[in-house]
Amino acid sequence: SVLLYQKPNRDICQSGTSLKIQCVADSQVVSMFWYQQFQEQSLMLMATANEGSEATYESGFTKDKFPISRPNLTFSTLTVNNARPGDSSIYFCSSRTGGYEQYFGPGTRLTVL
Amino acid sequence: LAKTTQPPSMEAYEGQEVNVSCSHTNIATSEYIYWYRQVPHQGPQFIIQGYKDYVVNEVASLFISADRKLSTLSLPWVSLRDAAVYYCIVTPQAQGLTFGLGTRVSVFP
Repeated sequence: SVLLYQKPNRDICQSGTSLKIQCVADSQVVSMFWYQQFQEQSLMLMATANEGSEATYESGFTKDKFPISRPNLTFSTLTVNNARPGDSSIYFCSSRTGGYEQYFGPGTRLTVL
Repeated sequence: LAKTTQPPSMEAYEGQEVNVSCSHTNIATSEYIYWYRQVPHQGPQFIIQGYKDYVVNEVASLFISADRKLSTLSLPWVSLRDAAVYYCIVTPQAQGLTFGLGTRVSVFP
């Protein structure tokens, strides 16, 4: 299994600002994924990040709004640019090793005022 | 990607067995069946995965119908800690997960 750590675990920011969410794995992982979850709703896949390549974004999510970096096999960052109240949600990173299951971080709860 | 249909909610008492069904009538041959659960304020947790027949691990068992259009997650002897939203996900391996609405399982003492 893989342990994922996210920082910060929660954040409050003003509209129009940008913030970064970090995800660190305790071992090297093949792929990292980012998900968004609004309150009382299901998780939505935002993007897939593989080491050394550009992240692949799902419909409704863009690189300009949610740039993702994956500089090595244990680390990824998600940035929320020009944050708006509608971006207030929980952001989860997850990873997949060589196996089939994904492991999820504890989430970062973002509130945009 | 195949769409899944699950009951919105289920209830059980501690010690009972809970069976959560999932319909995936358009499942492709490349797709596997995954079950995750999420308790409040935590990320989803992998439970079990299968392709066909019957799979069992230390947490749960998974029965998949012969035509692979229906699967049932079985949780033996549920406790209060098993109260969660259970998600059935059908997808090829190695891809990101598409979460549906899930089944909210409530457990009563």
